[in-house]
Amino acid sequence: TQLLEQSPQFLSIQEGENLTVYCNSSSVFSSLQWYRQEPGEGPVLLVTVVTGGEVKKLKRLTFQFGDARKDSSLHITAAQPGDTGLYLCAGTNAGGTSYGKLTFGQGTILTVHP
Amino acid sequence: DTEVTQTPKHLVMGMTNKKSLKCEQHMGHRAMYWYKQKAKKPPELMFVYSYEKLSINESVPSRFSPECPNSSLLNLHLHALQPEDSALYLCASSRRGDNQPQHFGDGTRLSIL
Repeated sequence: TQLLEQSPQFLSIQEGENLTVYCNSSSVFSSLQWYRQEPGEGPVLLVTVVTGGEVKKLKRLTFQFGDARKDSSLHITAAQPGDTGLYLCAGTNAGGTSYGKLTFGQGTILTVHP
Repeated sequence: DTEVTQTPKHLVMGMTNKKSLKCEQHMGHRAMYWYKQKAKKPPELMFVYSYEKLSINESVPSRFSPECPNSSLLNLHLHALQPEDSALYLCASSRRGDNQPQHFGDGTRLSIL
């Protein structure tokens, strides 16, 4: 069974601070996806990283996929109250019996105070 | 606005009731999913449909019965649920193929009395 360890579980910071969320596994994933979920809504895809060592930027968010494709990180610069939400990392594996399954991390609840 | 539409948004039912949750997408996706999510936890996969055929059942109790009438619709029929089944039920869809992202609906908030 593949597991994704996501940390920290909870993060409460002031507006303007930087933060990093980590997802780690002992297993290799063919891709890592990051989602954000706000209360009363479903998860919304932020990014998919596929290549080991890949770095993607989305405005103030920077996503990195580890060289060995076993870990990923999400870095937010100058956090804003609108960044508040549940952040989920999810790994995929190509083909086989696990096709279509996302392995989710435990989630990080981020609260950004004005 | 989400491209995956789920109805109803909220549902309260007794343990002896029968109800159905509905999910619809018009993105041409041929993989569709049901998830159960408890508060502040990640979604837990229940079922996966691929080309309208059930391909994964994560050992879900038989009181949950999925149905995929066509490539755009996914239903989840509920019968004799237990209080611990109260949760947010999410539907998602994706293209077939490796590493495809999933598009989630906003869910149905289910409460069992």
